[in-house]
Amino acid sequence: EAQVTQNPRYLITVTGKKLTVTCSQNMNHEYMSWYRQDPGLGLRQIYYSMNVEVTDKGDVPEGYKVSRKEKRNFPLILESPSPNQTSLYFCASRPAGSFYEQYFGPGTRLTVT
Amino acid sequence: GENVEQHPSTLSVQEGDSAVIKCTYSDSASNYFPWYKQELGKRPQLIIDIRSNVGEKKDQRIAVTLNKTAKHFSLHITETQPEDSAVYFCAARETSGSRLTFGEGTQLTVNP
Repeated sequence: EAQVTQNPRYLITVTGKKLTVTCSQNMNHEYMSWYRQDPGLGLRQIYYSMNVEVTDKGDVPEGYKVSRKEKRNFPLILESPSPNQTSLYFCASRPAGSFYEQYFGPGTRLTVT
Repeated sequence: GENVEQHPSTLSVQEGDSAVIKCTYSDSASNYFPWYKQELGKRPQLIIDIRSNVGEKKDQRIAVTLNKTAKHFSLHITETQPEDSAVYFCAARETSGSRLTFGEGTQLTVNP
């Protein structure tokens, strides 16, 4: 089954404790992105990757890191999480080209206390 | 960069009525405009999209219109049903294809 997976789905952590949210897709998509969703703000792009070893900042990259060492994986790293990073996070992927549908993962709800 | 504004933020209609959600975008170079539906606790899913060389697209009860000159596009849902209740997001993608910018979302409630 073609899908985007994320782990963990739910995470409660404390300020400053490094964490990684994994994202994997099995559709051989070139593009992958991370979004955060907050009430009233829609979906805001954190980072995106156009292919292996090619990443760029989105609209809200501060406090986040990413890597794209393999085509299928695009982990999101929070080196020192803070309470303002409490949010719902979505990973997404799509083929290269402007007109292709973007597929979202199931989401990761992160709470930083 | 691109800026997408979406209105209204909430919309309540009676079952069977039509619903219209409107979005404006700022970057005239944007050429792809998808609409996503997000049910409570679930991921956003594409329901319809339109390219910049098309003025209107229809799929059963949903349609999207695009006015490139005015830089706005709209989602139309006819004969609404309770299962249409969800948050709807519009988005715009730049020509380079790298960035997809979303509107703030519209909570649609269809009352039986």
